[in-house]
Amino acid sequence: GAGVSQSPSNKVTEKGKDVELRCDPISGHTALYWYRQSLGQGLEFLIYFQGNSAPDKSGLPSDRFSAERTGGSVSTLTIQRTQQEDSAVYLCASSLKAGAGYTFGSGTRLTVV
Amino acid sequence: DAKTTQPTSMDCAEGRAANLPCNHSTISGNEYVYWYRQIHSQGPQYIIHGLKNNETNEMASLIITEDRKSSTLILPHATLRDTAVYYCIVRGYMNSGGYQKVTFGTGTKLQVIP
Repeated sequence: GAGVSQSPSNKVTEKGKDVELRCDPISGHTALYWYRQSLGQGLEFLIYFQGNSAPDKSGLPSDRFSAERTGGSVSTLTIQRTQQEDSAVYLCASSLKAGAGYTFGSGTRLTVV
Repeated sequence: DAKTTQPTSMDCAEGRAANLPCNHSTISGNEYVYWYRQIHSQGPQYIIHGLKNNETNEMASLIITEDRKSSTLILPHATLRDTAVYYCIVRGYMNSGGYQKVTFGTGTKLQVIP
């Protein structure tokens, strides 16, 4: 596609449930990033995939968070046993290895009730 | 552990130039300076980037000091639609290939005033 696509755009879930957030990067982009942004806060790095290298998971806040990138393309961010503090906008971005910068998706707004 | 520091907020009169500063005193030789902005409720948008020379595109100009420890993003004629949070980040290329991960700071909230 022309841009980074994220789904769903909005997700409301009950505390304790698991959620999966999907990111379709721009075709050909080898790097993929997940960030989250809580209300009124800056962007918080979560995880970074670069080609076939092991992902940089240093930003994941707890072991309830995990992410996969299948076939070097689509990525799924999974949050297990969601908590209210997980409520945020989760943003995905991709970039060419030698590109000019990231392109961000519109994000998934997660609300844990 | 963002590598950049920016003022929390700035105001600019509509039609005037908006000059947004950024300090990146620990920048290393292979790191570029990137600027992004985020308009309320949207995903961040790429604006411009540079290594050591000044850069200009249709959106903005980027002035990088000779020692590369700071830079300024210039919006030459600010409009109300430029009201956004502006993020300055540094990002380098890893020897193993690919780009370093990036951590965004809290950015500068620019308010363009009519």
